[in-house]
Amino acid sequence: KQEVTQIPAALSVPEGENLVLNCSFTDSAIYNLQWFRQDPGKGLTSLLLIQSSQREQTSGRLNASLDKSSGRSTLYIAASQPGDSATYLCAAYDTGRRALTFGSGTRLQVQP
Amino acid sequence: DAGVTQSPTHLIKTRGQHVTLRCSPISGHKSVSWYQQVLGQGPQFIFQYYEKEERGRGNFPDRFSARQFPNYSSELNVNALLLGDSALYLCASSSREGAKNIQYFGAGTRLSVL
Repeated sequence: KQEVTQIPAALSVPEGENLVLNCSFTDSAIYNLQWFRQDPGKGLTSLLLIQSSQREQTSGRLNASLDKSSGRSTLYIAASQPGDSATYLCAAYDTGRRALTFGSGTRLQVQP
Repeated sequence: DAGVTQSPTHLIKTRGQHVTLRCSPISGHKSVSWYQQVLGQGPQFIFQYYEKEERGRGNFPDRFSARQFPNYSSELNVNALLLGDSALYLCASSSREGAKNIQYFGAGTRLSVL
């Protein structure tokens, strides 16, 4: 059974800082690893998807890495802004269950 | 282009009642997945449908059922509601089966069971 853990659960930083959010998963036989953003009371917005054969993906100020052998992924946010305040969720997809397994998220607050 | 749409946005029910939630995927997407998100937790997988067939089922009781229609829209049904069913129910669609590529989520249906 896949289990996904995210650390830290919450983070508050001043504007302009570079951030690292951590995600770990127990079963390395994943098809891909996805990072999402969720604003309060809203649905999820896909940020980055890393295929199992890839090591990282980049989009603007976001960079996500994947290390299958150690069961870890990190999301790096450069030069954080107040608009980045949200909950960030990582999820591992395995073709056996045909389902995404989500972590509980990291709640990020960027102070102006 | 319209994104994933879910209806209703909010719903209040009492214990023992039945509820039907609806989802329209992005045009051209044949895969629909349902997730339950309890406050403070990540979403939990309920069902996945592709080409109108159930392709995956999470660890939920038989009170939960779903179907996908010929136009690829989907319904999630929950019978004999319990207080613990109160949650945000999310629908996601993608062009390939499951989450083999990006899943696009709707805004969700907030269900409150009193």
